[in-house]
Amino acid sequence: AQSVTQPDIHITVSEGASLELRCNYSYGATPYLFWYVQSPGQGLQLLLKYFSGDTLVQGIKGFEAEFKRSQSSFNLRKPSVHWSDAAEYFCAVGRQKLVFGQGTRLTINP
Amino acid sequence: EPEVTQTPSHQVTQMGQEVILRCVPISNHLYFYWYRQILGQKVEFLVSFYNNEISEKSEIFDDQFSVERPDGSNFTLKIRSTKLEDSAMYFCASTGGASVTYEQYFGPGTRLTVT
Repeated sequence: AQSVTQPDIHITVSEGASLELRCNYSYGATPYLFWYVQSPGQGLQLLLKYFSGDTLVQGIKGFEAEFKRSQSSFNLRKPSVHWSDAAEYFCAVGRQKLVFGQGTRLTINP
Repeated sequence: EPEVTQTPSHQVTQMGQEVILRCVPISNHLYFYWYRQILGQKVEFLVSFYNNEISEKSEIFDDQFSVERPDGSNFTLKIRSTKLEDSAMYFCASTGGASVTYEQYFGPGTRLTVT
């Protein structure tokens, strides 16, 4: 069965610090992987995606993610966070039907 | 930039009533979806729709739910007899333009409150 695990429910980092959000997946075929961000009261915005090819993918807002097949992981990174990055982050896997992780809430300390 | 829109943003209804949630997907997209997110829980797939028929549905999507594309622009989710446990945020998404991709673009959601 397809599943996504985001081990960290809540992460707090200081503004300007680096960030890594973890995502592990279980998927029977070659996974299509996504990271979405949800600001309070807002919908889901696509940050980046991985379908094939280069395992390091760049997204919007300075985010990147690395696909590691051997670890079944697709971790999201940002070298220096901004206060506006505070939001809920969801990892998802799938093609027509997306399976989401439970989300990681990111808090930024000034 | 094209976007998915949803109306209303918030719907309050009494248990047992019918509700229709409306979505306008991105105009050249061919695949449409509904997801829901119960407060504090993960986003869950409900149904996918392509070529005027359901292509996949989850266990949640029982006989109380139905979807329709009544015209060339709208995509609706109907809940025939709402239950308290239907209270959630409902997201519409679309994908698949001229070259099919799997990037689903989500609307802002409709918060459904069943009392």
